Amino acid sequence: EDKVVQSPLSLVVHEGDTVTLNCSYEVTNFRSLLWYKQEKKAPTFLFMLTSSGIEKKSGRLSSILDKKELFSILNITATQTGDSAIYLCAPNYGGSQGNLIFGKGTKLSVKP
Amino acid sequence: DARVTQTPRDKVTEMGQEVTMRCQPILGHNTVFWYRQTMMQGLELLAYFRNRAPLDDSGMPKDRFSAEMPDATLATLKIQPSEPRDSAVYFCASRGSGLNNEQFFGPGTRLTVL
Repeated sequence: EDKVVQSPLSLVVHEGDTVTLNCSYEVTNFRSLLWYKQEKKAPTFLFMLTSSGIEKKSGRLSSILDKKELFSILNITATQTGDSAIYLCAPNYGGSQGNLIFGKGTKLSVKP
Repeated sequence: DARVTQTPRDKVTEMGQEVTMRCQPILGHNTVFWYRQTMMQGLELLAYFRNRAPLDDSGMPKDRFSAEMPDATLATLKIQPSEPRDSAVYFCASRGSGLNNEQFFGPGTRLTVL
């Protein structure tokens, strides 16, 4: 059965801290892995990872994929209160363009 | 600025009533997804369409849920009859036909069934 496990489920840090969010997956016909950020509304896209070992970076956020060990991490450095959100990991799998299966997310709270 | 739109944004109804949720995908996107999000289950795929044809609705309770795409600019998700356990946020997402598999999400419909 396809599954996605994110850890930790929730995390409380202070501004300026660095956090690492984890995502492990088991899916058939893996194609890519996507990270989304969800604040109060809809998930918004952060990264898509297709190759192992190649870091994607956007400002203070970065992410990397390990296709051998079947996991990905999302790092946030110098956290700010605006980073407070649920971070969702979603492997894309299956034929044609594939579908996403979402983890339950990591709820990050950044305190001032 | 292109975005997925959904209506209504909030819906409160009584058990047994019919609920219809609507989604307008981003113009030119050929794949439309319906998701349901609850605290317990997270985001779950209910159904999806490609070029208006239903490809997978295995995530959807068939006895009460139905999804259609009457034209390229409108997708609907209907629940009849609704039950309290259907209370959730329902998201529509769309994706273009390119190799990038990013899905763009609508703002969601928050459904409360009393």
